[in-house]
Amino acid sequence: AQKITQTQPGMFVQEKEAVTLDCTYDTSDPSYGLFWYKQPSSGEMIFLIYQGSYDQQNATEGRYSLNFQKARKSANLVISASQLGDSAMYFCAMREADRGSTLGRLYFGRGTQLTVWP
Amino acid sequence: DAGITQSPRHKVTETGTPVTLRCHQTENHRYMYWYRQDPGHGLRLIHYSYGVKDTDKGEVSDGYSVSRSKTEDFLLTLESATSSQTSVYFCAISESRVGYEQYFGPGTRLTVT
Repeated sequence: AQKITQTQPGMFVQEKEAVTLDCTYDTSDPSYGLFWYKQPSSGEMIFLIYQGSYDQQNATEGRYSLNFQKARKSANLVISASQLGDSAMYFCAMREADRGSTLGRLYFGRGTQLTVWP
Repeated sequence: DAGITQSPRHKVTETGTPVTLRCHQTENHRYMYWYRQDPGHGLRLIHYSYGVKDTDKGEVSDGYSVSRSKTEDFLLTLESATSSQTSVYFCAISESRVGYEQYFGPGTRLTVT
């Protein structure tokens, strides 16, 4: 079964509008972390935001916020006030803390290509 | 930015030849990972290391081997390159197996003809 599911292959948003990128996850581990990465056309992986499973509040980093709904196992990324430079591929990922055999590896979704238009 | 470099950054090679990719870190992090990225698949784990000479397989390890003789270097070898190994390869490092830190290198684009 997929650990991370991103159901939106592509999303379009107008500049200055907010956009939500969906991510659902699957784990039986009570302790885990959720990540979002941005990959621009230049190819590097840029860390955006992190949410721990025990964190009480939704994570925020500037214009990025993570809408964490634990019971629904969802971790959607919200980008407020989109900019042209936000056009990129976005990956959701998860790390399971208590499974010793996985030793901190990340499980990735297939990504969402976001296009911001003027 | 975390100190991670990958070499080479681009390589074209022929089917059947061995290829070695290098990941070098200056952070003294214990954990190192090799992922490959292919369209429609996100990033998938090839191998990882949890210390010098301590390595293990990920879910797409067939055709790959790794070595870590020093904390700072993690080598990925394609023993006999095939066209299916054409991909972008990312190295990542982490000080801990928990928490928010997992830093990625710039990637290596490998083409097997």
